[in-house]
Amino acid sequence: NAGVTQTPKFRVLKTGQSMTLLCAQDMNHEYMYWYRQDPGMGLRLIHYSVGEGTTAKGEVPDGYNVSRLKKQNFLLGLESAAPSQTSVYFCASSSQAGVPYNEQFFGPGTRLTVL
Amino acid sequence: DAKTTQPNSMESNEEEPVHLPCNHSTISGTDYIHWYRQLPSQGPEYVIHGLTSNVNNRMASLAIAEDRKSSTLILHRATLRDAAVYYCILRDPLPSGSARQLTFGSGTQLTVLP
Repeated sequence: NAGVTQTPKFRVLKTGQSMTLLCAQDMNHEYMYWYRQDPGMGLRLIHYSVGEGTTAKGEVPDGYNVSRLKKQNFLLGLESAAPSQTSVYFCASSSQAGVPYNEQFFGPGTRLTVL
Repeated sequence: DAKTTQPNSMESNEEEPVHLPCNHSTISGTDYIHWYRQLPSQGPEYVIHGLTSNVNNRMASLAIAEDRKSSTLILHRATLRDAAVYYCILRDPLPSGSARQLTFGSGTQLTVLP
């Protein structure tokens, strides 16, 4: 049981390049989330998914796209990277929403630098 | 979700208790109080949550004020491994069926001194 895994762990991009971050979870969770964390700040939600084939925007969605083709995977894409997207990206999953408590499980993060 | 206020940083000596405060004066009657922590270079991890009554688990205790406008996370014997950023987060469980994101503030950086 690996929990939430993220690929890659580190990446350096040049401005304008594209890339995809992969998140995988083996807990059969319905909900998945992508957050970003800038230095000295808390996490901010980029996009989330409530189930296979569905995605929705979070607090800071501009410049990112997501897809959830399989329940266990949640992909975050940057079509044209910008230096402002330099950050640490965390993926999370949870069992369901609409209950008083649903713990979110986080991956180890992907450190992205855009030059 | 209502806002929380935490000190930017706190220090503790190893093997001593630590009390991490959180103010949430605008908490609603249905908001749950959650605590997560983030160890260096790792993703956040769940610590504890509560609604009205004090709560204990293997990691920590959560003391909630009677008026629910503040709460305190208690680590009974701090270890070097407890050095992390601790986040106090309020979450309204309603409406049902919507994604329940976590709204992180900047948290409290806990330093544990040997």
